[in-house]
Amino acid sequence: QSVLTQAPSASGTPGQRVTISCFGSSSNIRSNTVNWYQQVPGTAPKLLIYSDNQRPSGVPDRFSGSKSGTSASLAISGLQSEDEADYYCAVWDDSLNGRVFGGGTMLTVL
Amino acid sequence: QVQLQQWGAGLLKPSETLSLTCAVYGGSFSGYFWTWIRQPPGKGLEWIGEINHGGSANYSPSLKSRVTMSADMSKKQVSLKLNSVTAADTAVYYCARSEGATKRDYYMDVWGKGTTVTVSS
Repeated sequence: QSVLTQAPSASGTPGQRVTISCFGSSSNIRSNTVNWYQQVPGTAPKLLIYSDNQRPSGVPDRFSGSKSGTSASLAISGLQSEDEADYYCAVWDDSLNGRVFGGGTMLTVL
Repeated sequence: QVQLQQWGAGLLKPSETLSLTCAVYGGSFSGYFWTWIRQPPGKGLEWIGEINHGGSANYSPSLKSRVTMSADMSKKQVSLKLNSVTAADTAVYYCARSEGATKRDYYMDVWGKGTTVTVSS
């Protein structure tokens, strides 16, 4: 059971906007920067958002990250079929003295 | 274009030692931390630990007693050893490059393709 809580699944239709949330605590999300990873089943994860809201080069601006207090969010606008994947939040936890991942959210594009 | 190539034994018996290596091609070895992550079948990602070129390492508290990481700057390689494995250690193991101002900010921006390790008697 992870210290970061994500809904196990989410869904949306093409063109829609969806939001995936990550709930943590004062020892992780409130204190440190959050990163998001996208993993298409059978492949390695890919960095999607770093430092709460920064996009690496090559990541479409349809993806955006935000953080407030002890929770973080990943928003995907203009949903596309290729966005169907698992999404993980990750952050350093000061209490555990280690890096933690959320349990992951499987996004289905209907 | 930085690429990470990883290899190691894919089938182990309980109590044996898992040993994986990750080589860095096309980029700098120093100035980054090199991270190991694993993913059990059908489950989420788990951070194992990270090490830099000088050998400074951070390990997961839950695995710390069984994990050893090392770095060879001359070969641009990092290695992971996990001793006394059990079936619970069956997973895909990934190496990744970590970047950031401090360990609290690190993000993994380049990933290897993963190595499947199965522990079975």
